[in-house]
Amino acid sequence: KQEVTQIPAALSVPEGENLVLNCSFTDSAIYNLQWFRQDPGKGLTSLLLIQSSQREQTSGRLNASLDKSSGRSTLYIAASQPGDSATYLCAVFNAGNNRKLIWGLGTSLAVNP
Amino acid sequence: EPEVTQTPSHQVTQMGQEVILRCVPISNHLYFYWYRQILGQKVEFLVSFYNNEISEKSEIFDDQFSVERPDGSNFTLKIRSTKLEDSAMYFCASRAGVGDTEAFFGQGTRLTVV
Repeated sequence: KQEVTQIPAALSVPEGENLVLNCSFTDSAIYNLQWFRQDPGKGLTSLLLIQSSQREQTSGRLNASLDKSSGRSTLYIAASQPGDSATYLCAVFNAGNNRKLIWGLGTSLAVNP
Repeated sequence: EPEVTQTPSHQVTQMGQEVILRCVPISNHLYFYWYRQILGQKVEFLVSFYNNEISEKSEIFDDQFSVERPDGSNFTLKIRSTKLEDSAMYFCASRAGVGDTEAFFGQGTRLTVV
């Protein structure tokens, strides 16, 4: 059974720092992986989709990498800003069943001015 | 930019009442989903829907729940006889296809059962 874990659970950094959020999954046979942002009490905003054949994706200050063999993905945020404060979730579509996303609990990020 | 829209944003209901959560997926998408997130817990899959039928449902999605696509645009989740433990954020999502396609989510409906 696929399990997704995110470390750390919470992170507080000063503005301007570069930071890395980690996501691991127990079954490496995934179809793709998505990173989401969730503001408190709000919806899920898709940040990046890494397809199974890709190793990384970039969008602005965000870069996500994927290493399927080791069951890991990282989300790198460059030059963090207070507006980046949110919870960041990763989720995977399993290769054997690509109908549903399996989710991590998220990393709660606070970027302090 | 196309988006998934959900209504209402917040619903309060009494235990035992029926609620209907509404979603308008992105217009050319073919696959539709409901997920829920109980406060402080992981997002959980409830059901997937394709070609006017359920393609998969989780253990959570018992006889209390049903989904419908009554017309070409709406996708609804009905919860009969709500329980306190149904209180959660409910998210609708859609995808253009399976495979390497992105899932797009609505802003959610916060359901509070009192």
